[in-house]
Amino acid sequence: DIVMTQSPDSLLVSLGERATINCKSSQTILYRSNKKNYLAWYQQKPGQPPKLLISWASTRESGVPDRFSGSGSGTDFTLTISSLQAEDVAVYYCQQYYYFPYTFGQGTRLEIK
Amino acid sequence: EVYLVESGGGLVQPGGSLRLSCAASDFTFSTYTMNWVRQAPGKGLEWVSSIRNNGHETFYADSVKGRFTVSRDNSRNTLLLQMYSLRAEDTAVYFCAKGGWRGDFFDFWGQGTVVAVSS
Repeated sequence: DIVMTQSPDSLLVSLGERATINCKSSQTILYRSNKKNYLAWYQQKPGQPPKLLISWASTRESGVPDRFSGSGSGTDFTLTISSLQAEDVAVYYCQQYYYFPYTFGQGTRLEIK
Repeated sequence: EVYLVESGGGLVQPGGSLRLSCAASDFTFSTYTMNWVRQAPGKGLEWVSSIRNNGHETFYADSVKGRFTVSRDNSRNTLLLQMYSLRAEDTAVYFCAKGGWRGDFFDFWGQGTVVAVSS
């Protein structure tokens, strides 16, 4: 199985500042034939289901604010929130869909400093 | 807007069974892979099962293999999860999630249904 490890487990960031969450996979999730990274990022607020933010490591979903961006390739990935807003308080998960069983990172809790 | 509405959760004794349903609307259900993902109380997300659009290919987490069966009825836009031999560690919110276009990320989620396994 591919193990997804996020860092940090929790993060305190001031409003308007940058937040960076890392995700590392135990093996590559870059499919060489199409040069795509099979990685997604989700945001989950309390009492709500997760919401897809980014697929293919860097493709932002429709309606997701452009302060959210994804980067990385192979085994190392990053979710960046360029200017933290109060509504961004949530737990963030990465997920690989390279092959079954699909696996998630343990989550990163983002709070306001 | 995609709608996914789960039902069928509840309290069940260890060793018991439950059948979860997910009613889908406002998208072409028969085109997409559908999935179940669960979240134990206070814990992270765990993928449980996936079924391809034609229902011919199914996939399971090791933790549920042999006890859970996923199926779908494309004529009724419904996803099902039959759960047998339930254990305390199956206690969780079970989410139905739609697969993405050409990729097995989960682009829309239901609100979830709660399964509690306890004596």
